[in-house]
Amino acid sequence: DQQVKQNSPSLSVQEGRISILNCDYTNSMFDYFLWYKKYPAEGPTFLISISSIKDKNEDGRFTVFLNKSAKHLSLHIVPSQPGDSAVYFCVKGGTSYGKLTFGQGTILTVHP
Amino acid sequence: NAGVTQTPKFQVLKTGQSMTLQCAQDMNHEYMSWYRQDPGMGLRLIHYSVGAGITDQGEVPNGYNVSRSTTEDFPLRLLSAAPSQTSVYFCASSYDALTDTQYFGPGTRLTVL
Repeated sequence: DQQVKQNSPSLSVQEGRISILNCDYTNSMFDYFLWYKKYPAEGPTFLISISSIKDKNEDGRFTVFLNKSAKHLSLHIVPSQPGDSAVYFCVKGGTSYGKLTFGQGTILTVHP
Repeated sequence: NAGVTQTPKFQVLKTGQSMTLQCAQDMNHEYMSWYRQDPGMGLRLIHYSVGAGITDQGEVPNGYNVSRSTTEDFPLRLLSAAPSQTSVYFCASSYDALTDTQYFGPGTRLTVL
């Protein structure tokens, strides 16, 4: 039962353009969603989050959108920079005892 | 402030050997956890601890033991390593069990031959 799915293993965009990373989820009504970013040979780091009572959350170049009827989450990065090249994980939180459920991850490559 | 540290960075074991992966945090966080990451998959929770002396199983606990004698340390033990335990292991901590924003260590890459 895969509760969080990222169907695109990779995404390639040009510097300055928009990057859109997508995520679908199941079995959630009052959950809390997060995006984590991971560089090679490092641990994941928290990027941005959204609670299920909101539709959108923005932090600088990063915006997360939540479509509860479609059970779909997306992360927009505008403008994309080469330093954004990393693996992005869609994560479901909000359950008991801090358990996080990770999607498979999407490798973003931003070309100069 | 070192954050979350993990040792070793790399380890190769033979089937049946035992070892302990170390994890320490200096942020006085109550909640700590262990995840493993396999190719093409997200991180999966192995064990977690909501405070010193309290541990519980996550999604994939078989073959692993944990203990939490201090707030700072949360070692993960493999009693008899198997090739299926070849993976990258991440330790994480957060202020408490209700905080989803967790801090991850750099990981330990384990290969079991």
